[in-house]
Amino acid sequence: KQEVTQIPAALSVPEGENLVLNCSFTDSAIYNLQWFRQDPGKGLTSLLLIQSSQREQTSGRLNASLDKSSGRSTLYIAASQPGDSATYLCAVYRDTGNQFYFGTGTSLTVIP
Amino acid sequence: EAQVTQNPRYLITVTGKKLTVTCSQNMNHEYMSWYRQDPGLGLRQIYYSMNVEVTDKGDVPEGYKVSRKEKRNFPLILESPSPNQTSLYFCASSFAGGPEQYFGPGTRLTVT
Repeated sequence: KQEVTQIPAALSVPEGENLVLNCSFTDSAIYNLQWFRQDPGKGLTSLLLIQSSQREQTSGRLNASLDKSSGRSTLYIAASQPGDSATYLCAVYRDTGNQFYFGTGTSLTVIP
Repeated sequence: EAQVTQNPRYLITVTGKKLTVTCSQNMNHEYMSWYRQDPGLGLRQIYYSMNVEVTDKGDVPEGYKVSRKEKRNFPLILESPSPNQTSLYFCASSFAGGPEQYFGPGTRLTVT
């Protein structure tokens, strides 16, 4: 069974810092990996989707990388802002089994 | 507007009283699924559906039922709710093959 781990569980940084969130998975036979943002009491907003054939995706201040062989993905946030405060979740999808597996998330606080 | 809707958003009920949480999407997605989110456990997949009349169990299906009679709707049924089913529930949809998932706003269920 696929296990997805996110470290750290919580992170607090001052505004303006660049930061990296980590996601690791045990089974490298994934079809894609998706990063989400979740605000307190709210649903999930998709940030970036990386197909298994890709190495990275970028959107604005966000950059996600994928290394299937080592079972790792990172989400890089540049010049963090207080509005970036949220929980960030990664999810992997296996086409065999058609299931999604989520990490438990990293709770980010950006201090003004 | 492309979206996934869930109803109700909040529900408090008593043990044993059957309930249904509705989920509907307007994006013509083949794949739909239900998750529950619990503190420290992250999101876990309950059931998923690859298309009309095709459903399958996720990681935590016990105590839940689903049906997929129409492409746009995927209701979650709790025939006899118990307190351990108190959780935040999310419905999600995507095109077949596992690309980007779109999530509903969530349903917070409390079973007393």
